[in-house]
Amino acid sequence: QKEVEQNSGPLSVPEGAIASLNCTYSDRGSQSFFWYRQYSGKSPELIMSIYSNGDKEDGRFTAQLNKASQYVSLLIRDSQPSDSATYLCAVVDSNYQLIWGAGTKLIIKP
Amino acid sequence: DAGVTQSPTHLIKTRGQQVTLRCSPISGHKSVSWYQQVLGQGPQFIFQYYEKEERGRGNFPDRFSARQFPNYSSELNVNALLLGDSALYLCASSLAEAGTEAFFGQGTRLTVV
Repeated sequence: QKEVEQNSGPLSVPEGAIASLNCTYSDRGSQSFFWYRQYSGKSPELIMSIYSNGDKEDGRFTAQLNKASQYVSLLIRDSQPSDSATYLCAVVDSNYQLIWGAGTKLIIKP
Repeated sequence: DAGVTQSPTHLIKTRGQQVTLRCSPISGHKSVSWYQQVLGQGPQFIFQYYEKEERGRGNFPDRFSARQFPNYSSELNVNALLLGDSALYLCASSLAEAGTEAFFGQGTRLTVV
């Protein structure tokens, strides 16, 4: 059973600090990795995609991928209350299926 | 540009009834996937269609079926509804069959009573 694991949280971070969200996956053949943000009652919104080892930065967001450790993370700098949401990690496995984590609830405290 | 559109946004059905949910992908996208999401869980994969052919099926009973039309829009049908089918149903469109970014519609909230 291929899995994507995330800490369910909630993760509480002060406004202006860095929020660090983590995700591990079981299928070593996975090639594509995505982070989605989901507000309560809404659909997931793609915020980052990463395909190769290393860091990828987009504004306040940085995705980090380490295929050897089967680990992908999302850093949010200068966290804002509007960043409070559930963050979902999704991985395309070796069968080209998109496997989802259960999400981490992030709370940014003003 | 229009994003992924789903209809209806909300639906209330009685146990045993049938429901049809609709999805129009982003223009130019040929892949449509359907997901079920219950509160506190990540999306659960139901079906993927690419170029009007089924490319993947999740672990859902045969009461769930889907199809994709020549214009790449898609329908998800659920027969003999159970209370446990109550969930947010999400449609996602992608440019290619696999490995590329998926963009979601606003979802259909189905309540079975």
